[in-house]
Amino acid sequence: GGIITQTPKFLIGQEGQKLTLKCQQNFNHDTMYWYRQDSGKGLRLIYYSITENDLQKGDLSEGYDASREKKSSFSLTVTSAQKNEMAVFLCASSKDWGANTLYFGAGTRLSVL
Amino acid sequence: AQSVTQPDARVTVSEGASLQLRCKYSYSGTPYLFWYVQYPRQGLQLLLKYYSGDPVVQGVNGFEAEFIKSNSSFHLRKASVHWSDSAVYFCAVSPNYGNEKITFGAGTKLTIKP
Repeated sequence: GGIITQTPKFLIGQEGQKLTLKCQQNFNHDTMYWYRQDSGKGLRLIYYSITENDLQKGDLSEGYDASREKKSSFSLTVTSAQKNEMAVFLCASSKDWGANTLYFGAGTRLSVL
Repeated sequence: AQSVTQPDARVTVSEGASLQLRCKYSYSGTPYLFWYVQYPRQGLQLLLKYYSGDPVVQGVNGFEAEFIKSNSSFHLRKASVHWSDSAVYFCAVSPNYGNEKITFGAGTKLTIKP
């Protein structure tokens, strides 16, 4: 088995601040994802990385940057936090790209004051 | 592009009762279908998946789902729920040719009454 570790678990930021969320997986999976979860809206894909040197925009990439530093790690940056923003950011991985099982981390809960 | 509709945002059932959570998808081809569960303060975990073959698929903890192509549905069922089944359940769909992303529904929050 494996695990996905997201840090930090909770993140409180100020309006306009740049904030970075980190994700590590030890499944040795090729593909990694960042999703945003808002209440009542399900999961929306922000960025994904098919392989170690790949980066792809999802449906919600505006306002975010991502970086796949190595196969096991995938970071997400909120480029300018929006006032009163509250969301959960979920990192996931899969063995490879396509219709495969996704394994999720527990999430980073963001609050912006 | 594909989409998923979970028409019930919240469902409450009594412990020991049967359960059905509804899921309808929109996709012109043959889909891959999934149900994920999210327990409080945790990430999503796969409950079951349908790729092909028998339209009734069994998952963990007594859950099953039935793919009905004519109705574009993939409802989740359980014969007798337990209090520990309280969670948010997500239906998801992807095309069956393996190079498209998975699309998730908005989720159904299940509450089990004692």
